[in-house]
Amino acid sequence: SQQGEEDPQALSIQEGENATMNCSYKTSINNLQWYRQNSGRGLVHLILIRSNEREKHSGRLRVTLDTSKKSSSLLITASRAADTASYFCAPRNNAGNMLTFGGGTRLMVKP
Amino acid sequence: ETGVTQSPTHLIKTRGQQVTLRCSSQSGHNTVSWYQQALGQGPQFIFQYYREEENGRGNFPPRFSGLQFPNYSSELNVNALELDDSALYLCASSLEQGAGEQFFGPGTRLTVL
Repeated sequence: SQQGEEDPQALSIQEGENATMNCSYKTSINNLQWYRQNSGRGLVHLILIRSNEREKHSGRLRVTLDTSKKSSSLLITASRAADTASYFCAPRNNAGNMLTFGGGTRLMVKP
Repeated sequence: ETGVTQSPTHLIKTRGQQVTLRCSSQSGHNTVSWYQQALGQGPQFIFQYYREEENGRGNFPPRFSGLQFPNYSSELNVNALELDDSALYLCASSLEQGAGEQFFGPGTRLTVL
């Protein structure tokens, strides 16, 4: 299945530092989406990047996509304690109508 | 706030029982997807409904079934509950079929004893 795999599984940083999370996938995609989940809550959509895009920004978030390497990264700049959450990537191919999530990256930002 | 609501928030059932979880999508969203998320794992796709018809299904047995209604509400039904069904159940609505941006509800935490 077209499942994204996030790396690292867990990341702990100090407030103000940047956090980088990576996602790898296996087959061609139509788009790739990043979501955030606070503990035990629903997921919040962060960014959708299409297969013909290489980089996208939203506030302190920067997402890159390298389709030749089948990978994406999410960069959070100037992190805050409120950024503490799990982050998931969800690659979407043309054939499927589902989002498939990996195990996520658990980010902890220490004040 | 995504505008997607789920009820109940928490639920405790015993093995073998049946459960119905409910979701209210954003107005105008004609697609709803359901996910199961076990503790410490990512959400797993159960199925998707588009205009009241099932539009795709993940690797879940038939005892997981759903309904979608014209008023943007939907249900997930699970029969013959098993201990492994204990999880957070999430619904997500979207404007389009397939897997565009999805708006998630807060989830229902189901515990099967």
